[in-house]
Amino acid sequence: AQKITQTQPGMFVQEKEAVTLDCTYDTSDQSYGLFWYKQPSSGEMIFLIYQGSYDEQNATEGRYSLNFQKARKSANLVISASQLGDSAMYFCAMRTSGSARQLTFGSGTQLTVLP
Amino acid sequence: GAGVSQTPSNKVTEKGKYVELRCDPISGHTALYWYRQSLGQGPEFLIYFQGTGAADDSGLPNDRFFAVRPEGSVSTLKIQRTERGDSAVYLCASSLMGGAGGEQYFGPGTRLTVT
Repeated sequence: AQKITQTQPGMFVQEKEAVTLDCTYDTSDQSYGLFWYKQPSSGEMIFLIYQGSYDEQNATEGRYSLNFQKARKSANLVISASQLGDSAMYFCAMRTSGSARQLTFGSGTQLTVLP
Repeated sequence: GAGVSQTPSNKVTEKGKYVELRCDPISGHTALYWYRQSLGQGPEFLIYFQGTGAADDSGLPNDRFFAVRPEGSVSTLKIQRTERGDSAVYLCASSLMGGAGGEQYFGPGTRLTVT
C-alpha cells in the first residue's frame, strides 16, 4: 500500500521568505511519481510540480522546487520568495506504477504567508 | 482553454435521497477520476475511467455509489440512499493518457451536504 505523510498541519512564513513543506512517502514500487497540489480557499486543486522516481535532477517550476531525497523517501516542496497569494492548503501526492493512475494524497499543510 | 467543470457547485439533500453529481472533463482527456474530500483531509480516490469503462472502482465505499461515463466524456457520480456521512466535497479530475507523470487537472468540486 502507498502512504503519504505530511507532518506539518500548519506553517507560517514571512512574505518574500522561502519556506519548505515536508512530505515523506512509503511504497515498495520502484517506479512512481510525486506531485504537489495547491488548494486555495476556493477549493480547486492546482497542480504545481511533478517528480518522477527515476528523475536524477530535482524538479523546478518557477518559484517552486521539489527537494527529492529518494533514500529518505522524502519529497519536500520549497517555495521561494513567498507571496500573500501563496496562502493555501498544500497537498503532496503519489502515484505508483502498480495503481491505476489514482493519486494517494497526504493530509495537507496549511500555509499562511504573513505581510 | 476550458478546465474541468463540475455541477452543481453545492448540493443539499435529505438523508435517504438520491443525488447525481456531474463532471465535464477537459476536451481530449481520456482518463477521468472521482475523489472525495472530507473536511481537513486530503482527497481520497473513488473511481477511475479510461474512456467509457471504469478501469478501477476500488475506492467506492459501498454499493450505494455508482458512476458512469457513457460516451467517454462527461461522467456522473450517483449516490443512492444518501447518509450524513456522505457529506463531503466530491472532486473530479482528468488527464491525458500515457506517461507516468501525467498530471491530473481538477475541477472546483461539488460540496454535498446531507441533512
